[in-house]
Amino acid sequence: EPEVTQTPSHQVTQMGQEVILRCVPISNHLYFYWYRQILGQKVEFLVSFYNNEISEKSEIFDDQFSVERPDGSNFTLKIRSTKLEDSAMYFCASSTGFNTEAFFGQGTRLTVV
Amino acid sequence: SQQGEEDPQALSIQEGENATMNCSYKTSINNLQWYRQNSGRGLVHLILIRSNEREKHSGRLRVTLDTSKKSSSLLITASRAADTASYFCATDANTDKLIFGTGTRLQVFP
Repeated sequence: EPEVTQTPSHQVTQMGQEVILRCVPISNHLYFYWYRQILGQKVEFLVSFYNNEISEKSEIFDDQFSVERPDGSNFTLKIRSTKLEDSAMYFCASSTGFNTEAFFGQGTRLTVV
Repeated sequence: SQQGEEDPQALSIQEGENATMNCSYKTSINNLQWYRQNSGRGLVHLILIRSNEREKHSGRLRVTLDTSKKSSSLLITASRAADTASYFCATDANTDKLIFGTGTRLQVFP
């Protein structure tokens, strides 16, 4: 069964460093998302991406964050100048269309030290 | 209160029993989705119910939606120890993003 894959599964980084989280969405999906879940808290929406541009972003998704679809398969989240409070599980998701089932990857656990 | 709140926050049952979890939300929606999350793992999509649907089944899962009350329920019948997980509802609030609830932690004892 097709699935969303994310790499790495764990990432530890020094405060102030840049990280890139990678995702391979399901191949025929057109909508891509990033969410995060701080330990013990709700899953929070970060950004949605469609037709090679951001379609919606949350207040969390400020200039520190950026997304890119560098080729036909990968979808990346870049976090610049990481802070301790960026430590969280980051989930990528994809869907075939607006208001359809969203399928999530296993997540990347980011720890900023 | 916030969009997407589940109750109870935690539920413990014996294998074979049914588990019912409820979700309430605030805004109008196009659909509502239920997800399962095993501890520290990814979100597994369980079922999507559209705003014009009242009930949907998938295997041992039954989901209801009452748009007049802005609420949904997830029933897991004949529960198994492997059903132990956190369960979340997520609504779209007429956008293309999902708003997740706080989740119900289900523990099924063998």
